[in-house]
Amino acid sequence: GDSVTQMEGPVTLSEEAFLTINCTYTATGYPSLFWYVQYPGEGLQLLLKATKADDKGSNKGFEATYRKETTSFHLEKGSVQVSDSAVYFCALNTPQGGSEKLVFGKGTKLTVNP
Amino acid sequence: DAGITQSPRHKVTETGTPVTLRCHQTENHRYMYWYRQDPGHGLRLIHYSYGVKDTDKGEVSDGYSVSRSKTEDFLLTLESATSSQTSVYFCATQTSGYNEQFFGPGTRLTVL
Repeated sequence: GDSVTQMEGPVTLSEEAFLTINCTYTATGYPSLFWYVQYPGEGLQLLLKATKADDKGSNKGFEATYRKETTSFHLEKGSVQVSDSAVYFCALNTPQGGSEKLVFGKGTKLTVNP
Repeated sequence: DAGITQSPRHKVTETGTPVTLRCHQTENHRYMYWYRQDPGHGLRLIHYSYGVKDTDKGEVSDGYSVSRSKTEDFLLTLESATSSQTSVYFCATQTSGYNEQFFGPGTRLTVL
């Protein structure tokens, strides 16, 4: 079945450091890919998405490119801030039997220190 | 943001008691989902709905049932709560197609 693998956390960085969180996927067909962010005590929020190969999603300084050849969707940010501390989830969406379900990775906790 | 509310936000209950969690949306989205979030497991799908009275099981459906009698409401019931069902429960909605899901704020359930 479809699956998402993302790097194990936790990740601890200093403010202004470069961030990469790796995400690879296995899917039949042509999935859409997503990054969600969960701040402490809150639900998940969509951070960015890409719906076809070579698309780049971007938001709040974060970027991820849909790489079909390597089945990857790595999240990057050039200069992290303390406010970026959160749990990040990679996910994919494929239609199955007429309904759509998201498949999530297990999440990567990021802590940014001042 | 999609208007999704969950109630209650926190609940403590005892083993063997029935519990119902409610998800309410104001966006008229077709699909609704219940997940549980546990450390080391990420989010796991419990049940989902693809329309009024149309529901199906997710990967961790044992011990849970759902109902959707109106587009805007999706109820999750634990018929007889167990300590293994202590978790944070999230509701989500989706329009259709390759679209993103919108999440509610979560319900923290503790079963003693």
